[in-house]
Amino acid sequence: EDKVVQSPLSLVVHEGDTVTLNCSYEVTNFRSLLWYKQEKKAPTFLFMLTSSGIEKKSGRLSSILDKKELFSILNITATQTGDSAVYLCASNDKLIFGTGTRLQVFP
Amino acid sequence: DAGVTQSPTHLIKTRGQHVTLRCSPISGHKSVSWYQQVLGQGPQFIFQYYEKEERGRGNFPDRFSARQFPNYSSELNVNALLLGDSALYLCASRISQGVQYGYTFGSGTRLTVV
Repeated sequence: EDKVVQSPLSLVVHEGDTVTLNCSYEVTNFRSLLWYKQEKKAPTFLFMLTSSGIEKKSGRLSSILDKKELFSILNITATQTGDSAVYLCASNDKLIFGTGTRLQVFP
Repeated sequence: DAGVTQSPTHLIKTRGQHVTLRCSPISGHKSVSWYQQVLGQGPQFIFQYYEKEERGRGNFPDRFSARQFPNYSSELNVNALLLGDSALYLCASRISQGVQYGYTFGSGTRLTVV
C-alpha cells in the first residue's frame, strides 16, 4: 500500500529560527512529490519535485528530493509568525498525503 | 479569475441521511479530484475525474459516489451518513492529466454528521 510519512508531527520555534520538515514515501510508480501549506482550509501549493538532487527555492523556502533514499525535505529559514501552518507533502498523480507537520512560530 | 469554488461551506446532517457536495473548477481545468480530511490528518484521496470519466478511486465504501458534468463541475454524493463521515471535504482541479500539472484546492465543505 502506498504511504507517505512526515516528521516531526509538530514543531514549535521562535521567529528567526530555521526549520527542516521531513517527508518519506513508499509509492508504486513514483512520479512526483508535492509540498503544500495549509493554514485554514485550502492547501496552497509550494513545490513540485520530480528530479533527484535539484533544489527548488521560493524566498525563504526550499525543497529537495532524494529518489534513491525516497525522501524529501522542506527548509524554511528565518521563520516568521506567518509561516505558522500545517505543511503537507503528497506523492503521485492522485496525491497520497502524509499526516502533515504542524509548525508554530512564536515571536 | 475565480479559483476552485465549493458549496456549501458548512453542512450539518443527521446519521443515515444523504448529502451532495458541489465543486466548480477553475475555468479551463478539466480534471477534478475529491479528498476527505479528518481533523488532525492529511487529506485522503476519494475520486479523480477527467473529461467526465472516473480515473481513480480511493479506499472508500460504495456509499461514496461522484460524477463530473459537461462543464467540468463535479458532485460528491455520500449516502447513509455515519458519524465518521464528519470531515472537511476538499475539491482540487487542474488543467489536465499528467504529473507536470499541479492541483489547486478549494476551501472545502465542512460536513458535520450528528
